[in-house]
Amino acid sequence: AQSVTQLDSQVPVFEEAPVELRCNYSSSVSVYLFWYVQYPNQGLQLLLKYLSGSTLVESINGFEAEFNKSQTSFHLRKPSVHISDTAEYFCAVTTGFQKLVFGTGTRLLVSP
Amino acid sequence: DAGITQSPRYKITETGRQVTLMCHQTWSHSYMFWYRQDLGHGLRLIYYSAAADITDKGEVPDGYVVSRSKTENFPLTLESATRSQTSVYFCASRGLAGGSNEQFFGPGTRLTVL
Repeated sequence: AQSVTQLDSQVPVFEEAPVELRCNYSSSVSVYLFWYVQYPNQGLQLLLKYLSGSTLVESINGFEAEFNKSQTSFHLRKPSVHISDTAEYFCAVTTGFQKLVFGTGTRLLVSP
Repeated sequence: DAGITQSPRYKITETGRQVTLMCHQTWSHSYMFWYRQDLGHGLRLIYYSAAADITDKGEVPDGYVVSRSKTENFPLTLESATRSQTSVYFCASRGLAGGSNEQFFGPGTRLTVL
């Protein structure tokens, strides 16, 4: 069975500073990895995903994540955050086309 | 409306009552899912469905019942609500197309059981 660990429940950061949200997974087989974002009082939206190919994946709003198989990690980074990035971020893993397993989430708090 | 919708968005009920949460998607996606979101637990899968009339248990199915008579609808019923079922419930759907496992989420239903 797969599992996902997001060690940081909350990450406070100042606007325009860089940020890294950590995600580690556990699986005995190949995985597909996702980052979802949840803005206050909304559902989850896909931010980016790794299925195969290049290990560095990017989103349209400046986030990127790198799949590291040896470290079983898929950390999310952004070089300069905005106030509007304040949200909860969930890492998720699946080995196939069915169930996603989510981490417990990291709340990113961006202050001016 | 196109996409995935949930109703009601907010519900308050009492212990022991039956409650049904509705989920409707307009994409004709094969897969549909129900999750609950609780602080400290992230999202946990309750039930999922691979197609009409095919459902299966997820991680936390106890106390819940689902049905899928039509592809576009996937209602979740709490047969006898308990306080521990106070949560935010999310429905999601996913197509069969290869190359993407993206699930699309509804806006959620906030359920309070008194």
